[in-house]
Amino acid sequence: ETGVTQTPRHLVMGMTNKKSLKCEQHLGHNAMYWYKQSAKKPLELMFVYSLEERVENNSVPSRFSPECPNSSHLFLHLHTLQPEDSALYLCASSQAPSILAESTDTQYFGPGTRLTVL
Amino acid sequence: QKEVEQDPGPLSVPEGAIVSLNCTYSNSAFQYFMWYRQYSRKGPELLMYTYSSGNKEDGRFTAQVDKSSKYISLFIRDSQPSDSATYLCAMSGGNYGQNFVFGPGTRLSVLP
Repeated sequence: ETGVTQTPRHLVMGMTNKKSLKCEQHLGHNAMYWYKQSAKKPLELMFVYSLEERVENNSVPSRFSPECPNSSHLFLHLHTLQPEDSALYLCASSQAPSILAESTDTQYFGPGTRLTVL
Repeated sequence: QKEVEQDPGPLSVPEGAIVSLNCTYSNSAFQYFMWYRQYSRKGPELLMYTYSSGNKEDGRFTAQVDKSSKYISLFIRDSQPSDSATYLCAMSGGNYGQNFVFGPGTRLSVLP
């Protein structure tokens, strides 16, 4: 176990549904990430939150909406998705670097949510 | 030119072989270098990380970084069938997610 949990592990949804993915980390980290992993493609960074503020959004379509209510929880809200959005969605966390302590920025991943959009 | 290049494989080796996995990169700002192992239908699991150039050993695994050549390697000694997975290299400038890049992964099969 990496200390990062994701629910649900599998999700099948129609194009008109609204659903949410949940991620929780128990590592005391203060940065969290959403990645998309499609077949035969590299991991794609979707969103980065550091200290609960969104730091980066890699031009992700608005049908994906992240929420980070605190440093331990991260959500990805989904609505009106397309079949090409079917993929493994991975959450990760890390300790954001500070001037007080060197950080590797090493990310620890959850098991992922396998999403299928019909 | 892609920022990180990695041979996707698949790479098949017999049990007990020494495996060499490699990545090249173009961004000289990368300072931290990581190797992840990903089993089918699971999230990536951190194997090793290295700061700057040099070698790091952990059991059967050795990570090497050559910043002058922009080349990193992961060696697996006495490979086992349980090592069969996809291995992803990743690198970062150390700025939480910004400039954190993964290679596409190499699929490794260790045959009994």
